[in-house]
Amino acid sequence: SQQGEEDPQALSIQEGENATMNCSYKTSINNLQWYRQNSGRGLVHLILIRSNEREKHSGRLRVTLDTSKKSSSLLITASRAADTASYFCATNQGNQGGKLIFGQGTELSVKP
Amino acid sequence: ETGVTQTPRHLVMGMTNKKSLKCEQHLGHNAMYWYKQSAKKPLELMFVYNFKEQTENNSVPSRFSPECPNSSHLFLHLHTLQPEDSALYLCASSQGRLAGASTRYNEQFFGPGTRLTVL
Repeated sequence: SQQGEEDPQALSIQEGENATMNCSYKTSINNLQWYRQNSGRGLVHLILIRSNEREKHSGRLRVTLDTSKKSSSLLITASRAADTASYFCATNQGNQGGKLIFGQGTELSVKP
Repeated sequence: ETGVTQTPRHLVMGMTNKKSLKCEQHLGHNAMYWYKQSAKKPLELMFVYNFKEQTENNSVPSRFSPECPNSSHLFLHLHTLQPEDSALYLCASSQGRLAGASTRYNEQFFGPGTRLTVL
């Protein structure tokens, strides 16, 4: 079964607004990571949150993790047109080394 | 630039051709990965190499053959592919883990991908 499932699948907002994307997973994890992908390009690592952490910030990004609900959220504040991309969550299960399981992603469109 | 390069960036091949995709990382990592990304599907992990040993083969058809001659280079050899194999193939690397070592937190660094079209 698919580990990371993002919600919504697509999100369209105006520049300056906040964007929130959610990710749910099924099994216990070692950490959860968020990646960004511009169209047809490789993925870029954004932020990693460990299973014993609840919230993490990086610039305009805020990630939360609720292990009891097996869910995470990525908040992008004060969005810019350049934030337009697909965003993926990926989970790492500690007993599987470096293996990551990716969700289907959220396509974010930020209109100027 | 993520420190991971892939060549070629685009490849068109017939079903009877043999070609290879190349990945190189300049990050001193010891784990390397091949992923397949098809339209409207999640990234599919294909192979994992950790310290040059293959540790994961995710039920990939034998027409895809990986090779990892050293920790910096990873190849994906392709032969007799099918049109449904057309996709973006992504390579990634991470720190990797020695047997018996504690779990390493492992962000992955991705290359730009090879867009493969099989005619």
